[in-house]
Amino acid sequence: GQSLEQPSEVTAVEGAIVQINCTYQTSGFYGLSWYQQHDGGAPTFLSYNALDGLEETGRFSSFLSRSDSYGYLLLQELQMKDSASYFCAVLNQAGTALIFGKGTTLSVSS
Amino acid sequence: DAGVIQSPRHEVTEMGQEVTLRCKPISGHNSLFWYRQTMMRGLELLIYFNNNVPIDDSGMPEDRFSAKMPNASFSTLKIQPSEPRDSAVYFCASSLTGERGVFYNEQFFGPGTRLTVL
Repeated sequence: GQSLEQPSEVTAVEGAIVQINCTYQTSGFYGLSWYQQHDGGAPTFLSYNALDGLEETGRFSSFLSRSDSYGYLLLQELQMKDSASYFCAVLNQAGTALIFGKGTTLSVSS
Repeated sequence: DAGVIQSPRHEVTEMGQEVTLRCKPISGHNSLFWYRQTMMRGLELLIYFNNNVPIDDSGMPEDRFSAKMPNASFSTLKIQPSEPRDSAVYFCASSLTGERGVFYNEQFFGPGTRLTVL
């Protein structure tokens, strides 16, 4: 089956850079996705990596190493509004639906 | 587009009662997912529909849970009878799946239904 591991909590200050790691074990791999969820809100899509390397989208970047079954989300120039939970996700074995990690709660302080 | 719509947003019921959660996916999306989120278990996939057909219901916890999608614009998740351990936030999500099941990783989530079973 599919399983993902990510830290439960990360804290940082405004303006800093933070990296949220994700390791996965899968039967069949179709890529790694990242989602953001603010407290009381719905998860929203951030990024997707199918191939090794770094994908950059504004202040957020996502990295994948398929040989290491590892990826990370990099958040730069942190802002208070970045305080949220961040989930990595992979497709299930059938490639039909996403399986989510337990999430990392990021707290940004001033 | 209004996004994925779920109702009700909050539901408080007593143990043993029937609960029905409703979802309207984004128009044009052909895949629909029901998730349950709790602090202990995180975001769990319950069931997945493609073109209104249930494809994978292995995440449905018990026979007390059932889901239907009678048409492309409506789905329900029913719990009968409900139990306190069913208390959670239930999310519906939709996405577009291409030919031969090519899956697009961007799922669009509704605002969720917060269910409390007393």
